[in-house]
Amino acid sequence: QVKLLQSGAALVKPGASVKMSCKASGYTFTDYWVSWVKQSHGKSLEWIGEIYPNSGATNFNEKFKGKATLTVDKSTSTAYMELSRLTSEDSAIYYCTQWFAYWGQGTLVTVSS
Amino acid sequence: DIQMTQSPPSLSASLGDKVTITCQTSQNINKYIAWYQQKPGKAPRLLIGFTSRLVSGIPSRFSGSGSGRDYSFSISNVESEDIASYYCLQYDNSPWTFGGGTKLELK
Repeated sequence: QVKLLQSGAALVKPGASVKMSCKASGYTFTDYWVSWVKQSHGKSLEWIGEIYPNSGATNFNEKFKGKATLTVDKSTSTAYMELSRLTSEDSAIYYCTQWFAYWGQGTLVTVSS
Repeated sequence: DIQMTQSPPSLSASLGDKVTITCQTSQNINKYIAWYQQKPGKAPRLLIGFTSRLVSGIPSRFSGSGSGRDYSFSISNVESEDIASYYCLQYDNSPWTFGGGTKLELK
């Protein structure tokens, strides 16, 4: 069965960066786009961007260009998202999802000094 | 960007009721809408794709309909396990966008 296993919670200081992972199993990793979605506390969902593992091609929500960097490691079927220049507005749960059908369990990022 | 106006933001229902949530989009999305259920502390769970296609294993009390700019999602005979938040997603045009969510509570 399809599984997406995300890395654990992170506490980071303002201005720093954080890199989170999403390890896929149960399907051919290179065949499906992987998207990342932000959910701020108690709020709705925002699409950040997506990456096609086979080619590394990416598409982004304009709002997150310059904030998020998406990469993959095909050898381990793992997708990564790095968020830079963190502020309190970046405190949220971040989900990876295989074309919005299968979802990881989420990674909580807390930005605090 | 396509705007998704989801209503109501919250809904109170009794067990056995039928409830309906709507999503109105800012432009025609050609039926490319999906519906999700999210329980506290959990990831969203896909229930319905392409307006009305029920995902395998999802109970038939969940249904979806619509076209153009107007879509709806219903739960007939609400059960206690249906208490959750629900979201719509359009995947016709990037950036993919979600509705604001509907929180379903028990009356």
